[in-house]
Amino acid sequence: DAVLTQSPEYLPVSLGERATINCTSSQSLLYSLDNKNYLAWYQQRPGQPPKLLIFWASTRESGVPERFSGSGSGTDFALTINSLQAEDVALYYCQQYFRSPPAFGQGTRVEIK
Amino acid sequence: EVRLVESGGGVVRPGESLRLTCEVSGFTFGDYGFSWVRQAPGKGLEWVSDIIWSGDKTGYADSVRGRFTISRDDGKHSLYLEMNSLRVDDTALYYCARANRAAEYFDFWGQGTLVAVSS
Repeated sequence: DAVLTQSPEYLPVSLGERATINCTSSQSLLYSLDNKNYLAWYQQRPGQPPKLLIFWASTRESGVPERFSGSGSGTDFALTINSLQAEDVALYYCQQYFRSPPAFGQGTRVEIK
Repeated sequence: EVRLVESGGGVVRPGESLRLTCEVSGFTFGDYGFSWVRQAPGKGLEWVSDIIWSGDKTGYADSVRGRFTISRDDGKHSLYLEMNSLRVDDTALYYCARANRAAEYFDFWGQGTLVAVSS
């Protein structure tokens, strides 16, 4: 099974600054036949269910602010939040859907410094 | 509006059973696969089980295989999770999530239903 490791586990960032969360997979998530990376990112605000932010590693879900961006390929991925806002305080998870079972990273908590 | 509403959670003793239900609305239920994902208190997300759009194929995490059964009723627009032989470490908030039609990432989630297993 593909194991996802996120870093850091805790990320304090000042308002208006950039936050970058990393996600490393134990196996490549790049499918050669369609050249797509099978990785998604979710945001979970306190007391709320997860919300899809990014899929195919870099495609923003409809309605997600442009300050959220995803990058990376193969085994190394990143979620970047440009100009952190107060409402971005949350847990963030990566998820692979390249192989069954789907699996999540352990999560990264983003807070205001 | 897409809605997924879970129910059926509760407090049970080890070894007992529960049946979770997820009622959906706002889209064509039969076109989509679904998963159950759980979150133990203060912990991360753990995928539990999935079922494809036709109901012909299901999958389970190793931790629940043989104890949990996922099913769906297209007529009732509902997803189910039958949980038997519950253990203390099954305690969690259980979410149902819709899998996107292109691939198994989850584009809509319910609010969750809480299962607590305690002696």
